Amino acid sequence: ELKVEQNPLFLSMQEGKNYTIYCNYSTTSDRLYWYRQDPGKSLESLFVLLSNGAVKQEGRLMASLDTKARLSTLHITAAVHDLSATYFCAVDSSLRGGATNKLIFGTGTLLAVQP
Amino acid sequence: NAGVTQTPKFQVLKTGQSMTLQCAQDMNHEYMSWYRQDPGMGLRLIHYSVGAGITDQGEVPNGYNVSRSTTEDFPLRLLSAAPSQTSVYFCASSSPGQGVTEAFFGQGTRLTVV
Repeated sequence: ELKVEQNPLFLSMQEGKNYTIYCNYSTTSDRLYWYRQDPGKSLESLFVLLSNGAVKQEGRLMASLDTKARLSTLHITAAVHDLSATYFCAVDSSLRGGATNKLIFGTGTLLAVQP
Repeated sequence: NAGVTQTPKFQVLKTGQSMTLQCAQDMNHEYMSWYRQDPGMGLRLIHYSVGAGITDQGEVPNGYNVSRSTTEDFPLRLLSAAPSQTSVYFCASSSPGQGVTEAFFGQGTRLTVV
């Protein structure tokens, strides 16, 4: 059974600081997703990581994937208040490769950036 | 661009009542899924479909039924609502493939069962 663990669950940080959110998963998967959710809103896709060593960056966010360690990280550089949200990682549960839309989510990390 | 549309946005049910949560997408996506989101538990997969006429169970299917008669629509039915089904429900759609194929989510339905 595929399990996805995210930590920390809550992160309070000051503007301008750096931090990393970790996402571990228990079985082999060839695709990992990061989503952002604002309070009361839907999920917004941030990154899709498809292969070992994949690194993607968008603004102050950078995501990476290590399939051998079954670990993905979301690094936040010089945080700003607008990044305050809940961040989820999700792993596609397909064992055959390719996207199936059968996502197993981590519990989420609530990020609060203080001015 | 409509994307994934869910109705209603909010619903209050009494225990034992039935209802259908609607989900429609206009992106011609083959794959559609239903998730529920509860505090501290992330999103959990209820049911999913890989095409019209094909559905299967996810992590937490008990108490829910689905059918997929068209590519566009994937309704979720609660036959006899229970307080444990109080949650926020999200529908998602995507295309299959080996490339970058992310799931697109609807705006959610907040359901309260009293």
